[in-house]
Amino acid sequence: GAVVSQHPSWVICKSGTSVKIECRSLDFQATTMFWYRQFPKQSLMLMATSNEGSKATYEQGVEKDKFLINHASLTLSTLTVTSAHPEDSSFYICSARDLRGNSPLHFGNGTRLTVT
Amino acid sequence: GEDVEQSLFLSVREGDSSVINCTYTDSSSTYLYWYKQEPGAGLQLLTYIFSNMDMKQDQRLTVLLNKKDKHLSLRIADTQTGDSAIYFCAEKDDKIIFGKGTRLHILP
Repeated sequence: GAVVSQHPSWVICKSGTSVKIECRSLDFQATTMFWYRQFPKQSLMLMATSNEGSKATYEQGVEKDKFLINHASLTLSTLTVTSAHPEDSSFYICSARDLRGNSPLHFGNGTRLTVT
Repeated sequence: GEDVEQSLFLSVREGDSSVINCTYTDSSSTYLYWYKQEPGAGLQLLTYIFSNMDMKQDQRLTVLLNKKDKHLSLRIADTQTGDSAIYFCAEKDDKIIFGKGTRLHILP
């Protein structure tokens, strides 16, 4: 079945540094990928929609300068958390849909970010 | 209000059937989904149902869809310890909206 690979699976960084998370669709192409954030024991919150070849669409309340998204190819989207702070610590999950359509979203295994 | 609602907890004895319920609001969704999340992991697509279907069965899983009441349910037959996880109901075609998740706990 469709596979979405997310890397790294966990990362610890110091306050003020930036962290890049990659999301790859391994056996399909995706013009659209989605980035979610999940707080402990809560549901997933959509942060932004990543569009190949164009700017990402951010949900209300999500700082685009804080969470930089680049969708450089049909199989790769990256999320960079810039100048990370402890409150950015969270579980980040990406998802992608096969551009051929009529298929559900497939999710990566998530990245647990801890900012110290 | 919430677009997708589901109960937060369910406890079931091993071997019994589990039924997880969900209500949604967007009647235009092409698909409705059930995702499973194990601790510390991402989401695994468990099953989905096309909106013009009433029922879908896949081995131990049965999905029932009542479009009139906008009610979706997931039945897991012969529940096993490996089924212990959080189950998310989701709707909409593009920007998927998730419920808060139902934590399924298996009693020995």
